[in-house]
Amino acid sequence: QVQLVESGGGVVPPGRSLRLSCAASGFIFRDYIMHWVRQAPGKGLEWVAFISHDGNTKYYADSVKGRFTASRDNSKNTLFLQMNSLRGDDTALYYCAIPFTSGHLDYWGQGALVTVSS
Amino acid sequence: AIQMTQSPSSLSASVGDRVTITCRASQGIRNDLGWYQQKPGKAPKLLIYLASTLKSGVPSRFSGGGSDTDFTLTISSLQPEDIATYYCLQDHNYPWTFGQGTKVGIK
Repeated sequence: QVQLVESGGGVVPPGRSLRLSCAASGFIFRDYIMHWVRQAPGKGLEWVAFISHDGNTKYYADSVKGRFTASRDNSKNTLFLQMNSLRGDDTALYYCAIPFTSGHLDYWGQGALVTVSS
Repeated sequence: AIQMTQSPSSLSASVGDRVTITCRASQGIRNDLGWYQQKPGKAPKLLIYLASTLKSGVPSRFSGGGSDTDFTLTISSLQPEDIATYYCLQDHNYPWTFGQGTKVGIK
């Protein structure tokens, strides 16, 4: 069965960096595009990033463009989100998600919590 | 970026009531829209894609409609397990954008 497990969250001071990982299993990872979505505490969902199956095409939300970078290692079935120059409004639960059959986000991980605070 | 305006932000209804949530896009998006349900402490769950296609396993009391700029999610007979926050998401072009969410409660 499809499984997505995020890791790498934590507390980080403003201006610092953090890298999230999303370990995928239960499907042929290299064949699928992937997304990152986040949710600030008590707030709504915000789409963050897209990465193509081969990692060559990426899109980002305006709020993270130039600071966040999505990447993937298809040999290790792992998706990454490198987050630089973190700000307080980046505090959120970060989900990886996959459009598996529908074109929309069929499967989600459980999320990794990132807290940006001094 | 395409803006998605969702309404209402919250509602309360009785068990068995018909509930409708609307989502309006700032420009035409054909039928490139999905609806998600999120219960507290859980990841979102896809209910509907392509504006009106019910994902396999989702109860038939959920339905979606609309195209271009105006979309609806309808719960034909509200059940206690439907208590959740609902979001629309446009996948017409990048960046994808969510609506602000509608919190559905029981009266």
